[in-house]
Amino acid sequence: DIQMTQSPSTLSASVGDRVTITCRASQSISSWLAWYQQKPGKAPKLLIYKASSLERGVPSRFSGSGSGTEFTLTISSLQPDDFATYYCQQYNSYSRTFGQGTKVEIK
Amino acid sequence: EVQLVESGGGLVQPGGSLRLSCAASGFTFSNYEMNWVRQAPGKGLEWVSYIGSGGFTTYYADSVKGRFTISRDNANDSLYLHMNSLRAEDTAVYYCARGADHSSSFDYWGQGTLVTVSS
Repeated sequence: DIQMTQSPSTLSASVGDRVTITCRASQSISSWLAWYQQKPGKAPKLLIYKASSLERGVPSRFSGSGSGTEFTLTISSLQPDDFATYYCQQYNSYSRTFGQGTKVEIK
Repeated sequence: EVQLVESGGGLVQPGGSLRLSCAASGFTFSNYEMNWVRQAPGKGLEWVSYIGSGGFTTYYADSVKGRFTISRDNANDSLYLHMNSLRAEDTAVYYCARGADHSSSFDYWGQGTLVTVSS
């Protein structure tokens, strides 16, 4: 199975900061990667698909990049609504593995 | 409006069985791949199972293979997860999630249903 590793596990940041989260795959997944945002008690929300495509309705401050085994999610200017946990997910193989999550906290 | 509504969760003893349902509306259900994803209390997301739009192709996480069965009823816009030989580590909120038409990412999710396995 393909393993997905996110870093950091927790990130403390302030409103207005530029934030970057990294996701590494244990083998190449081309661009078959998605990013999700989850808030406590809520279902996850799709932000990015195919590594860099912005889901309809998602603010443009979110962007994704990468291919192969290394990927990043960037929030260009952190807003109060962005404090949440973020997950990457590969869908290259039949087993749609998630990363362990990155919690973005208020500094 | 796309809606996915899970039901069927509850308290079950170890070794027991449960069937989860997901009622879909607001889209042509038979055209879409579907998935189950779970989240143990305080933990991250774990993909559980996939079913193709026609119901003929299914995949499972190793942790549930041989114990869980995914199925769908396209005539009634419903997705199911039959869970047998339940263990304490199966305790989680179970979400159904739709495969996006632009990729195999998950573009719509239900609100989740809690399964607790305990004696």
